[in-house]
Amino acid sequence: GENVEQHPSTLSVQEGDSAVIKCTYSDSASNYFPWYKQELGKGPQLIIDIRSNVGEKKDQRIAVTLNKTAKHFSLHITETQPEDSAVYFCAALGGSYIPTFGRGTSLIVHP
Amino acid sequence: NAGVTQTPKFRVLKTGQSMTLLCAQDMNHEYMYWYRQDPGMGLRLIHYSVGEGTTAKGEVPDGYNVSRLKKQNFLLGLESAAPSQTSVYFCASSYFGRSSTDTQYFGPGTRLTVL
Repeated sequence: GENVEQHPSTLSVQEGDSAVIKCTYSDSASNYFPWYKQELGKGPQLIIDIRSNVGEKKDQRIAVTLNKTAKHFSLHITETQPEDSAVYFCAALGGSYIPTFGRGTSLIVHP
Repeated sequence: NAGVTQTPKFRVLKTGQSMTLLCAQDMNHEYMYWYRQDPGMGLRLIHYSVGEGTTAKGEVPDGYNVSRLKKQNFLLGLESAAPSQTSVYFCASSYFGRSSTDTQYFGPGTRLTVL
């Protein structure tokens, strides 16, 4: 089955800095890669996603890149703000429509 | 449009007691999922359903049962609760298979403590 590794488990940055979270996957059949943000006491919420036919996608301060050959994808957050502090999860999904999640990254943005 | 709702939000059980967690979605999604979230372990899939009347085991199904009698509802049951089932439980639903809306929508979670 699919295996998704996510790094780092904790990331601490100063407000205004950039943050990068990386994930690798094992199943070459995976073709959809969402990223979720989970705020304290809430359920995860989709913030951006990318499909295997695209190498990069951007939405304001958030971007995701995908390298199919190397089987890794990354979340980039620029100009971080305190409200970006949360746990971020990556996931990989193929034809079974059952996502495999990474273990999460706790992002802390210091004012 | 309430999205995905979960009942109850909190519950404390004694070892051996039983309970049912209810998940409801009003988005006409085919797929529904139950996850548990433990510190450092991410989201682990317990059971899932690909449509009304269907259920399937996920990564950690032992000690849990599920039912999907109606498309909008997905129930998670604990027949004899154990302290190892202390966790936060999340329900999710999705349209997977319809390319423009391939995402999971999560409920707010149920925090369960088993003493």
